[in-house]
Amino acid sequence: DGGITQSPKYLFRKEGQNVTLSCEQNLNHDAMYWYRQDPGQGLRLIYYSQIVNDFQKGDIAEGYSVSREKKESFPLTVTSAQKNPTAFYLCASSATGTALTGELFFGEGSRLTVL
Amino acid sequence: QKEVEQNSGPLSVPEGAIASLNCTYSDRGSQSFFWYRQYSGKSPELIMSIYSNGDKEDGRFTAQLNKASQYVSLLIRDSQPSDSATYLCAVLGGYNKLIFGAGTRLAVHP
Repeated sequence: DGGITQSPKYLFRKEGQNVTLSCEQNLNHDAMYWYRQDPGQGLRLIYYSQIVNDFQKGDIAEGYSVSREKKESFPLTVTSAQKNPTAFYLCASSATGTALTGELFFGEGSRLTVL
Repeated sequence: QKEVEQNSGPLSVPEGAIASLNCTYSDRGSQSFFWYRQYSGKSPELIMSIYSNGDKEDGRFTAQLNKASQYVSLLIRDSQPSDSATYLCAVLGGYNKLIFGAGTRLAVHP
């Protein structure tokens, strides 16, 4: 079955540590996205990538980094520079690579807690 | 003013009733509008998209768009307890950015 796989589902981190969240898709989608969701707030875009080896900052990119070395994979690193990293992180993909659309397919999410 | 605004709820409706969820947006140039459903602890899933003024029906769901008034709504007919979830309105605006509202929590009680 085609879909988006995020791992780990739950992650605990000590302050000052970098962590990497994995996102893999087998939908053959060109575009991939990382969103952050906090209670009572909408999804906020961290980074997105429309093609391999290219990505752009979203609205809240500070303290995060990404790579897109393969079409299927778009990992997100939460660095120690991110001041408030505790959140629900969602990876998504969409079919078109030439323009962002609103029709996104989401992974099951990764819940990060900083201790 | 937030770019996409929704009442956070909870909106409580009895089983079998019509649930009406509303969303307003600030970017008058927006052309594409979406409703996502998110169950507690789960990821959002797309349930409706609408691009033209008027109504669009899909089963028990009807999306309504009024670009002049800058609002989009979602009606759920014959509401079921399984419809209890948070409904996120999303608007595709300038620079092809998809902006999400904070969501409205719907509770359908038997």
